[in-house]
Amino acid sequence: AQSVAQPEDQVNVAEGNPLTVKCTYSVSGNPYLFWYVQYPNRGLQFLLKYITGDNLVKGSYGFEAEFNKSQTSFHLKKPSALVSDSALYFCAVRPTTGFQKLVFGTGTRLLVSP
Amino acid sequence: KAGVTQTPRYLIKTRGQQVTLSCSPISGHRSVSWYQQTPGQGLQFLFEYFSETQRNKGNFPGRFSGRQFSNSRSEMNVSTLELGDSALYLCASSQGVAQPYEQYFGPGTRLTVT
Repeated sequence: AQSVAQPEDQVNVAEGNPLTVKCTYSVSGNPYLFWYVQYPNRGLQFLLKYITGDNLVKGSYGFEAEFNKSQTSFHLKKPSALVSDSALYFCAVRPTTGFQKLVFGTGTRLLVSP
Repeated sequence: KAGVTQTPRYLIKTRGQQVTLSCSPISGHRSVSWYQQTPGQGLQFLFEYFSETQRNKGNFPGRFSGRQFSNSRSEMNVSTLELGDSALYLCASSQGVAQPYEQYFGPGTRLTVT
C-alpha cells in the first residue's frame, strides 16, 4: 500500500528566505504526487502535481517541487517565503495504475515570520 | 464554476446518535472522496465514489457509510456516534479516478460529539 511521510511537524522560516517542506513516499510502481495547502478554517487547495517528465514542477503562488525517484522524495520549495504562506501543507501520493486511493501525509505546518 | 459545497458546516451530536453529511461536487465532476481530519491523525481517507460506485474504502468501521447519487452528489453517514468521531469531515471532487486529476475540496463539516 502507498504511504507518505512528512518528517517535520513544523517548519519555521523568516520572510524572504527560501523554504523547503519535505515529503517522501512509498508506492508500488510509479507515483502521481501532489501538494495541497490548507489555510485556517478552510478546505485544502491544490498547489501542484507531478505526473511524469520534468522532475521540477511549478505550481501556484510561486511554489515548486522537485521529484527525486532514487530518493523517493517530492520536496516543496519556494525561493522567497511570504508571511501569507503560513499554513498547513500536505503531500499526497497515488499509484499510476489501478483504482487506488490518494494517500495524504500528516501535514507540515509552515510558519513564516516577518 | 461553483466550488464543492458541504452541508451542514457545523454539527453537534450526542454519543449514540447518527449523522448524515452532504456533499455537492463541482459541476461535471463524477468522483467524490471523503476524508476525516483530526489534529492527531491528519487526513484519513474514508471512501471514494465514481459513477455511484464505491471505488475505494479506507480503514474505518462499518458505522461509517456513504453513497453517491446519479447527479454525483454524495452523502456519508455515521451511526452510533462516538466521542472519537469528532473531527472535520472533508469532501473532495475530481473529474475521475485512475488518472492524476487533482481533487477540489469543500470547506468541511465540523462534527462535535458530546
